[in-house]
Order: sequence, then C-alpha cells, then structure tokens
Amino acid sequence: DTGVSQDPRHKITKRGQNVTFRCDPISEHNRLYWYRQTLGQGPEFLTYFQNEAQLEKSRLLSDRFSAERPKGSFSTLEIQRTEQGDSAMYLCASNLGDRENYGYTFGSGTRLTVV
Amino acid sequence: AQTVTQSQPEMSVQEAETVTLSCTYDTSESDYYLFWYKQPPSRQMILVIRQEAYKQQNATENRFSVNFQKAAKSFSLKISDSQLGDAAMYFCAYSREGGSEKLVFGKGTKLTVNP
Repeated sequence: DTGVSQDPRHKITKRGQNVTFRCDPISEHNRLYWYRQTLGQGPEFLTYFQNEAQLEKSRLLSDRFSAERPKGSFSTLEIQRTEQGDSAMYLCASNLGDRENYGYTFGSGTRLTVV
Repeated sequence: AQTVTQSQPEMSVQEAETVTLSCTYDTSESDYYLFWYKQPPSRQMILVIRQEAYKQQNATENRFSVNFQKAAKSFSLKISDSQLGDAAMYFCAYSREGGSEKLVFGKGTKLTVNP
C-alpha cells in the first residue's frame, strides 16, 4: 500500500466551473477525512466518513460542496460554481477510526487555483 | 468549540541547537489527545509526536519531546540537536477522541534551520 493518494495534485479552473477531487485512502482504513488549507493557515476540517456514511460536515462546507464515499473505498469532493475563495489545498486523510490507534495518514493534497 | 493557538508564526534555529515551539489550546473536556504534525514544503503531513491528556508523563520520540501542562492548557514541542531536515511547518493539533474524531489544527509555525 502506497499510502493516501490524491488526484489531481494541481487543478486550475475558471470561476464558475465545477471541479472534482479524488482521494484513495489506505485500504484497511475505514475513516476518511477532508480538510482545507489556505496559505499561512492550518488545515480546517470539512467532513469525514466512516466507511460510506458521512458522519460530520463542517459549517465551512457550503451547499456548493459535496463529498461522497461510495462503497466505503475512495472518496470524491466536488465543488460546484467555484469562487476565488475556494482556492486552497484540499487534504485527505484516513485512519482506522480507533480512539487509541490514531495513526492519521495524510495525502499530499490537491492544490486548487480558481482564476 | 475547541481551539488551538500557535503564537509563533516563524522560528529559526541553528543546526545542532535546541528550539521550542509553543502551543496553547482551549477545551472543556478532561480527556483528549494532542499532536504535533510536521509538513515539509510540498510534502504530506506526518505525525511527529502525540500526547494523551490522561498521561502525566511527557511524550518523547527521539530528538522530539513535549512539555504538556494540562492546567495551563499548554503543549510545547522541543526539538533537540536540530537538523536541516527538521525545516518545515509544524502544526499543533487537538482531538477529543484520539483517532476516532477530527483534528483541530493551529495555524502553524514555520521552522527554519540554519547551517
């Protein structure tokens, strides 16, 4: 297993376009998290899944954002009608979801630039 | 809501010297978990060290150690014998339930190691 993979690494899009990012977690990890990181800031939580169930969504996740994790494997994060304020690094992380086994593994992120 | 504050946006240290990064947090919980993550430029976030709030003993991982002051809600990271490879952004993070809940991050401290 090569860790958490995110695709694409970079995405440049025009304002108003839709974009979709993909995250492939470590195969045995049942928890998958999405974070957003803007320049000079720490990652901010967006949402997370336990298998295919989306358990929590941040208030940061506006109606233009939607995330899925079909079959509890990979996850997608879609942003509709992108705005310049959506420009950020989108990080994915996964873990076993065990209180005492807190080995979060992060992906390298997808950097989104909205022009 | 839990918050994590890192008051040092940037720090620098000479190679082989010791540096301490500060972190304070706010929570009403009595049991929780604290982490330091390292994010090298253009690379994924990796765990440096973790501390369970119910443990009085400060965590240590090789050259990295923490000073956990529960009453003061302080969680500083000490890096001894600094190496060039330690240069990175360092994020302090909090989790209410260890590996079974989201991480709340501080804004980070950029560490520069001078040769």
